[in-house]
Amino acid sequence: NAGVTQTPKFQVLKTGQSMTLQCAQDMNHEYMSWYRQDPGMGLRLIHYSVGAGITDQGEVPNGYNVSRSTTEDFPLRLLSAAPSQTSVYFCASSKQEFYGYTFGSGTRLTVV
Amino acid sequence: AQSVTQPDIHITVSEGASLELRCNYSYGATPYLFWYVQSPGQGLQLLLKYFSGDTLVQGIKGFEAEFKRSQSSFNLRKPSVHWSDAAEYFCAVGVSGGTSYGKLTFGQGTILTVHP
Repeated sequence: NAGVTQTPKFQVLKTGQSMTLQCAQDMNHEYMSWYRQDPGMGLRLIHYSVGAGITDQGEVPNGYNVSRSTTEDFPLRLLSAAPSQTSVYFCASSKQEFYGYTFGSGTRLTVV
Repeated sequence: AQSVTQPDIHITVSEGASLELRCNYSYGATPYLFWYVQSPGQGLQLLLKYFSGDTLVQGIKGFEAEFKRSQSSFNLRKPSVHWSDAAEYFCAVGVSGGTSYGKLTFGQGTILTVHP
């Protein structure tokens, strides 16, 4: 039981490049979310999903896309990286909204 | 929309002292409430949660929290702090039903420093 797996752990991108942050969970959780963490700002929700085929925007969705074709996977796509997207990204999953989310170990992204 | 406020950005306590971290939320109905802890360079670990029933909830590592509806608060407490408790603590609120179910909103975090 691996929990929530995020890849890569570290990434450096040039401005304008695109990439996909991978997130997979093996707990059969319906709910999945992406957060970014910046110093002094806590965790801010980017996108979330309450089941395969269902996604919705969080508070900071601009510049990011998601899709949820399977229960297990919830990739986050950066369309055209900008320095403002330098952050630590966390993926999380939950069985139900009142269970609490289980977090991955994060991806540290630097855009230069 | 729900929101969470953690009024204290940084708290310093001595080892063995008691601890209380404050959390206030804004939401019209009964929320789901959580406390998470994050050690440097790590992901977040769930300490405890409240969604119904007894308003005093027990969590891991000797932490507890009390839900007070009248004050819209969910403060985290520990009677005696250990040096290993030094970390950042996040309060979070989730909602049931409506258009925002499944959405978890976090506070800005409180950094705890423990002096020997």
